[in-house]
Amino acid sequence: GAGVSQTPSNKVTEKGKYVELRCDPISGHTALYWYRQSLGQGPEFLIYFQGTGAADDSGLPNDRFFAVRPEGSVSTLKIQRTERGDSAVYLCASSLEGVGYTFGSGTRLTVV
Amino acid sequence: DQQVKQNSPSLSVQEGRISILNCDYTNSMFDYFLWYKKYPAEGPTFLISISSIKDKNEDGRFTVFLNKSAKHLSLHIVPSQPGDSAVYFCAAGVTGNQFYFGTGTSLTVIP
Repeated sequence: GAGVSQTPSNKVTEKGKYVELRCDPISGHTALYWYRQSLGQGPEFLIYFQGTGAADDSGLPNDRFFAVRPEGSVSTLKIQRTERGDSAVYLCASSLEGVGYTFGSGTRLTVV
Repeated sequence: DQQVKQNSPSLSVQEGRISILNCDYTNSMFDYFLWYKKYPAEGPTFLISISSIKDKNEDGRFTVFLNKSAKHLSLHIVPSQPGDSAVYFCAAGVTGNQFYFGTGTSLTVIP
């Protein structure tokens, strides 16, 4: 597609539930990044994929968070046992050579 | 520990005047710098970038200046237009790795 597509755009879930957030990057972009943005903050890095492998997952806050990119294109961010503090906008970005990211519109996750 | 700082949370400028947004970073290894613009309910949109081998990059009304010795960059918008009203984020990093974002500056251009 022309841009980075993220689905769903909004997700409301109950505390303790499992959620999956999907990112469809720009076709041909080998690098894919997940960021999280809380109110009043800049995007905070979560994980970076180069192809299918996670090149850097140092930003994942704990083991409830996991991300995959099995075919080197679409990526899914998975959050287990969601907590209210997980509420944020989750942003995905893709890049061809590691600079000049293109961001998607984000998924607004609300844990109630 | 904040590696990229935008110390002004907001800025108001009259239409037609210059807007100057500032950003400081701490890591001297950073070699690439980006500015993003964000409207409500949208993801950040890439605006302009600069590599550490340059000290200035210009694109239309937008110019980014980099002072490596001071670890400081700034975005100049001339002339400012009401449609420029948005939150501006600067980001810095090492090419091919994650980028670190500042907390943003909300720019309001007054008609």
